Amino acid sequence: AQSVTQLDSQVPVFEEAPVELRCNYSSSVSVYLFWYVQYPNQGLQLLLKYLSGSTLVESINGFEAEFNKSQTSFHLRKPSVHISDTAEYFCAVLGYGGSQGNLIFGKGTKLSVKP
Amino acid sequence: DTAVSQTPKYLVTQMGNDKSIKCEQNLGHDTMYWYKQDSKKFLKIMFSYNNKELIINETVPNRFSPKSPDKAHLNLHINSLELGDSAVYFCASSATGEGYTFGSGTRLTVV
Repeated sequence: AQSVTQLDSQVPVFEEAPVELRCNYSSSVSVYLFWYVQYPNQGLQLLLKYLSGSTLVESINGFEAEFNKSQTSFHLRKPSVHISDTAEYFCAVLGYGGSQGNLIFGKGTKLSVKP
Repeated sequence: DTAVSQTPKYLVTQMGNDKSIKCEQNLGHDTMYWYKQDSKKFLKIMFSYNNKELIINETVPNRFSPKSPDKAHLNLHINSLELGDSAVYFCASSATGEGYTFGSGTRLTVV
């Protein structure tokens, strides 16, 4: 079984400041890792994913995340945030190998960007 | 073209009623899912289904039942609605080894 821990439930930052949203996972099998974003009153959108290859993955809107197997982490970063980045961010893990599990989510981190 | 579409977007109903939420995906994915997002934004898997196997999260009451008329559809039927069923329900689909694509959600309010 897999589990995901998002260490911060809320992260307030000022516009143009850097931000890091932390995510740690636990799994007895190999995993794929994902970040989803949910804007207010909207559905879930895939922000970025790690399946294999380079441990640093990037999104089209400036976010990046790095898979660290030894620390079982997949932290999300952005060097300079915008007001429009205000949203709820979910880290998720999908185990594979043997019987495939389901996508398991962390409890979310609310990013609030202030002017 | 919407990849995963679910209807209705909002559903307000009285306790004890039976209701359905429809979901359709045009991605050709083999597996579909229903998730429940509670008032604290926590997302929990309810069902996963492909053309061979239905996997039910054991914590889901048997008042909830998925129905799949074909590979592209997975509807959610809820009998005898209770106040605690109020939540946002998300449909999703995936191909093996890929992330899930989610619908825009159905906000269910039981009064």
